Amino acid sequence: GAGVSQSPSNKVTEKGKDVELRCDPISGHTALYWYRQSLGQGLEFLIYFQGNSAPDKSGLPSDRFSAERTGGSVSTLTIQRTQQEDSAVYLCASSLGYRGQETQYFGPGTRLLVL
Amino acid sequence: QKEVEQDPGPLSVPEGAIVSLNCTYSNSAFQYFMWYRQYSRKGPELLMYTYSSGNKEDGRFTAQVDKSSKYISLFIRDSQPSDSATYLCAMSATGNQFYFGTGTSLTVIP
Repeated sequence: GAGVSQSPSNKVTEKGKDVELRCDPISGHTALYWYRQSLGQGLEFLIYFQGNSAPDKSGLPSDRFSAERTGGSVSTLTIQRTQQEDSAVYLCASSLGYRGQETQYFGPGTRLLVL
Repeated sequence: QKEVEQDPGPLSVPEGAIVSLNCTYSNSAFQYFMWYRQYSRKGPELLMYTYSSGNKEDGRFTAQVDKSSKYISLFIRDSQPSDSATYLCAMSATGNQFYFGTGTSLTVIP
């Protein structure tokens, strides 16, 4: 079956521009997670959704970052006024539920480069 | 101090060797422990999941959790060139927010 998909796969933008990253989770998965992976930094948790609501936004690095999920499916991560330090791979994952024993399935990521 | 510490390597072993990968952590509330494998330019894929302490075996892979020492390990027996990847440990207290190690890069030489 189809896995988690993300678009675009690569994004190059200029400092100060806004970008939108999209995640299509596996159909029927109620939980959705966003992570950021920088070189040598590992995966950094950003936010997770239970259905359309985000109980924990504490991982978002600044108020320039926001995320939404609609219809319990597609999610968009928006970065406003991008900075060079935002350059990273942004990974999305989904799971059937939102308890620890549920397997998270990751998408291939969006590689963001801010010039 | 980071929540999770993992030696980034790189680790290079000959085919057939036993590989040991480790992570330490500081939060005693962690109770969900996972190991992911990530190939270049791909998303991580779950290899092993352990709840609380103990061992878990799946084929050539064995995961160990020692909560008293705040230490987890992944062993790979009879390593293969196809095992060459980055291995990430991850853990959580609640099952919602996961903390990942930086990953260990492994190369298995034929």
